[in-house]
Amino acid sequence: EAGVTQFPSHSVIEKGQTVTLRCDPISGHDNLYWYRRVMGKEIKFLLHFVKESKQDESGMPNNRFLAERTGGTYSTLKVQPAELEDSGVYFCASSHLKQGVNTEAFFGQGTRLTVV
Amino acid sequence: AQKITQTQPGMFVQEKEAVTLDCTYDTSDPSYGLFWYKQPSSGEMIFLIYQGSYDQQNATEGRYSLNFQKARKSANLVISASQLGDSAMYFCAMREDNTGGFKTIFGAGTRLFVKA
Repeated sequence: EAGVTQFPSHSVIEKGQTVTLRCDPISGHDNLYWYRRVMGKEIKFLLHFVKESKQDESGMPNNRFLAERTGGTYSTLKVQPAELEDSGVYFCASSHLKQGVNTEAFFGQGTRLTVV
Repeated sequence: AQKITQTQPGMFVQEKEAVTLDCTYDTSDPSYGLFWYKQPSSGEMIFLIYQGSYDQQNATEGRYSLNFQKARKSANLVISASQLGDSAMYFCAMREDNTGGFKTIFGAGTRLFVKA
């Protein structure tokens, strides 16, 4: 079974540019999450999809971040325009309901974003 | 207030010895799950072990065990017979089932160094 995959693994962009991160969850997982770890700080929740619906986007830092999950499969996270403080590692995770219980979240390898 | 506290930024352990990584948490939700993840230098987040708040026994997974002290709100990870490959960053995490939605909250992490 394929795990959570993220693309790209690294991205270096200039301030003001746009970057789109992609996440393919484990097949059949309805729950998809985005997290971010800024250098030296904690891993912070960004948002949670259940299928194609945004269940919780309380962690999105501002309106420069836009996440979508059309069709309830893969998800994209767009940063436009990117700022220096957006640099960090962006993780995607997915989980599913097993007998009514939310299982542990399986994480992708992360996308390391560097804004210069 | 921090929900997950990991007080050890770094730990050293001799190969083949056991090591305990500390984690305390704060929640008023009676139903929650506690997780430990490992992040090696390659960057991916690897799920290690899960403990549910209603579980009567401490969780074990191979060389990993979770010392769950519910009254003290601690969920320490014990790694027995440390191996060089255990050198990594370790994150304690919690999911509050009723009040927190499905999002997982992470601690700041503990970097473990295993010495040969």
